[in-house]
Amino acid sequence: GAVVSQHPSWVICKSGTSVKIECRSLDFQATTMFWYRQFPKQSLMLMATSNEGSKATYEQGVEKDKFLINHASLTLSTLTVTSAHPEDSSFYICSAGDASLGNQPQHFGDGTRLSIL
Amino acid sequence: QKEVEQNSGPLSVPEGAIASLNCTYSDRGSQSFFWYRQYSGKSPELIMSIYSNGDKEDGRFTAQLNKASQYVSLLIRDSQPSDSATYLCAVSRGSTLGRLYFGRGTQLTVWP
Repeated sequence: GAVVSQHPSWVICKSGTSVKIECRSLDFQATTMFWYRQFPKQSLMLMATSNEGSKATYEQGVEKDKFLINHASLTLSTLTVTSAHPEDSSFYICSAGDASLGNQPQHFGDGTRLSIL
Repeated sequence: QKEVEQNSGPLSVPEGAIASLNCTYSDRGSQSFFWYRQYSGKSPELIMSIYSNGDKEDGRFTAQLNKASQYVSLLIRDSQPSDSATYLCAVSRGSTLGRLYFGRGTQLTVWP
């Protein structure tokens, strides 16, 4: 079945550090990937749509200069949290669907737990 | 009105019982419907997808879709303690991008 790999699974770093998270589709090509954030006991919040070869589309209220997204190939999207602060601590999850199947269904990576000290 | 609404729960059922999870959606143009299971501290896992009216069964899980009523449900038969999780209903509006709209989730607890 479709597998989405996300790395790293856990990051602890100091305030002001930039953190890069990778999302890979292992056995299919993904022209679109989605990045979510989830705070404890809350629902998934879509942050942005990552589009291969073009700019990402950000949801209202998400700072594009804070959360940099790059989707340079059909199997890899990266999310960089720039100058992270404690309020950026959260669970970040990506999803992707097989482009040859109309991008459905979406499969999720295992998530990255980010803790900013 | 939210795009996707789920009965908020929490829902608690005894082991062996049938758990019924419900979801309604607002956009009549929605075409694809999914149920994800999310264990505490983990990412969502796809357990069912349904695209046409009626029932779809997969093992102990049955998804039901009624587009006229804009309603989708998930039944879990012979519930097990390992089914205890938050269940997310997700809807795709037909966009080719695959974007999903999620409900807030229903927390299910199956007690032995």
